[in-house]
Amino acid sequence: KQEVTQIPAALSVPEGENLVLNCSFTDSAIYNLQWFRQDPGKGLTSLLLIQSSQREQTSGRLNASLDKSSGRSTLYIAASQPGDSATYLCAVIDNQGGKLIFGQGTELSVKP
Amino acid sequence: DAGVIQSPRHEVTEMGQEVTLRCKPISGHDYLFWYRQTMMRGLELLIYFNNNVPIDDSGMPEDRFSAKMPNASFSTLKIQPSEPRDSAVYFCASSPGTGGRQYFGPGTRLTVL
Repeated sequence: KQEVTQIPAALSVPEGENLVLNCSFTDSAIYNLQWFRQDPGKGLTSLLLIQSSQREQTSGRLNASLDKSSGRSTLYIAASQPGDSATYLCAVIDNQGGKLIFGQGTELSVKP
Repeated sequence: DAGVIQSPRHEVTEMGQEVTLRCKPISGHDYLFWYRQTMMRGLELLIYFNNNVPIDDSGMPEDRFSAKMPNASFSTLKIQPSEPRDSAVYFCASSPGTGGRQYFGPGTRLTVL
């Protein structure tokens, strides 16, 4: 059974720092991996999607990497801003391409 | 496009009552998903549809939960009878294809007293 773990559960950094969020999964037979952002009381916003054949994806200040063989992904946020404060969730889709399995998330706080 | 639309946004009901949550996916998306989010269990997939057909309902907690998708632009999640442990935020999401990016609605916050 696929399990997704995110470390740390919470992170507080001063504005301007570069930071890394970690995600690990137990079954490497995945279709793809997605990173989401969730603001308090809101739905999820898709940030990046990495296909199982890819190593990384970039969008603006965000860079996500995928090492399928070791069951790990990282989300790198450059030059963090207070507006980046949110919960970041990692999720993998099974090999049938349907079911998303989520980690518990990392709650990020960027202090001005 | 308006994105995924869910209604109601908030629902407060009493134990034993029937609850119906509604979702309109993004036009043209073939996949529709229902998730539940709680502090204890995080985000869990309840059921998903492909072209209006239920594909995997293994996450539906028990027979009190049912979901339908009568057409490509509408889905419902029904709980009958509701119980306090059903209190959670229920999200609907849609996706354009297999393994595609999923777009989430704003959620319905359900409180069962």
